Amino acid sequence: KAGVTQTPRYLIKTRGQQVTLSCSPISGHRSVSWYQQTPGQGLQFLFEYFSETQRNKGNFPGRFSGRQFSNSRSEMNVSTLELGDSALYLCASSLEQGTDTQYFGPGTRLTVL
Amino acid sequence: DAKTTQPPSMDCAEGRAANLPCNHSTISGNEYVYWYRQIHSQGPQYIIHGLKNNETNEMASLIITEDRKSSTLILPHATLRDTAVYYCIVRPRRDKIIFGKGTRLHILP
Repeated sequence: KAGVTQTPRYLIKTRGQQVTLSCSPISGHRSVSWYQQTPGQGLQFLFEYFSETQRNKGNFPGRFSGRQFSNSRSEMNVSTLELGDSALYLCASSLEQGTDTQYFGPGTRLTVL
Repeated sequence: DAKTTQPPSMDCAEGRAANLPCNHSTISGNEYVYWYRQIHSQGPQYIIHGLKNNETNEMASLIITEDRKSSTLILPHATLRDTAVYYCIVRPRRDKIIFGKGTRLHILP
């Protein structure tokens, strides 16, 4: 069974631009969570989607948003990029909302110049 | 904020058991203990979880103290591929995962 895939793997943007990251969960998984990882703050939870609805949200500004499609694929969007948004963005999928085992993708490395 | 305290780093000789401690003195009755690890440049990987009984799977064993205020993850025969950051997390089931800073485990040849 294929794992979680994230596209693109690397991205370079400039301040003020917006970016969309994509995540395809493991087949049959219905929940997708997003995390931001930086050297200073570590791994931080962004949000979780299940059945196309946001079920949980972390403490991030409204510039960070996401959505989930009927096939469980998810996208996250960051608008008006700031230098501090440079990070590794990780997506994790699980069978149901908040299940014990989350399977993480390889991440998208975003660099904001 | 993370509800766990872990040593920032540990060393273990290859082939020996790696014992990673975690303190979670404020754990609530409905919270489980989870362990994940992150090998460099990869996404985190689930290892094991438990509520109050000791648990074992093909990767590791989890020992939870009777008062549930601390736990130990045991990798029985550490290899170089076990070099990673190990995260101990407490959370109710179906809740979001809050990662702390974890323990950086170095396996020494």
